[in-house]
Amino acid sequence: QKEVEQDPGPLSVPEGAIVSLNCTYSNSAFQYFMWYRQYSRKGPELLMYTYSSGNKEDGRFTAQVDKSSKYISLFIRDSQPSDSATYLCAMSLGGNQFYFGTGTSLTVIP
Amino acid sequence: SQTIHQWPATLVQPVGSPLSLECTVEGTSNPNLYWYRQAAGRGLQLLFYSVGIGQISSEVPQNLSASRPQDRQFILSSKKLLLSDSGFYLCAWGGFGYGYTFGSGTRLTVV
Repeated sequence: QKEVEQDPGPLSVPEGAIVSLNCTYSNSAFQYFMWYRQYSRKGPELLMYTYSSGNKEDGRFTAQVDKSSKYISLFIRDSQPSDSATYLCAMSLGGNQFYFGTGTSLTVIP
Repeated sequence: SQTIHQWPATLVQPVGSPLSLECTVEGTSNPNLYWYRQAAGRGLQLLFYSVGIGQISSEVPQNLSASRPQDRQFILSSKKLLLSDSGFYLCAWGGFGYGYTFGSGTRLTVV
């Protein structure tokens, strides 16, 4: 069983839709949770960094962590074509090593 | 502000040839540095990380090695490339409390 599971998609939505991206994990000791966005042929860039359970909002992006279910989500409101990218979840026990999902490919259609 | 530089962007190398990928960081001192490989459908695989000059930890035994000759320089090397070494190589700095900042990556194709 992988440490972090993420549906690879692809996910295709119309512009303006609400997007929900999800990851599940097996290690209940994970404490820190991140979402990265990766455009084609580029390195990932950090979108959200959260600690423990709860929600964190940044503009059109909301990260949600449910530690009891070992489930994290990223919501994108009013999706734009520029949001088309691969989204990677990542998590950490608290040290410097992060465990990444395989990424979900998202296309927002104008 | 901190920036990370990684080159080259693309590389095509024959099997058995050597490899040297370089990564440098600006705007920070004594960063934690990482080399990752990203393969399609397999996510990011941590290859090496370094917490200081000359200090290298290897996560996956393989055909690659890493060195950190200077505080903000991290090098990924191989003496003889294999076909299986093809992939997208990413350098990163950062760690606990603030996540990673990744370089733009090197797409390596071994032919």
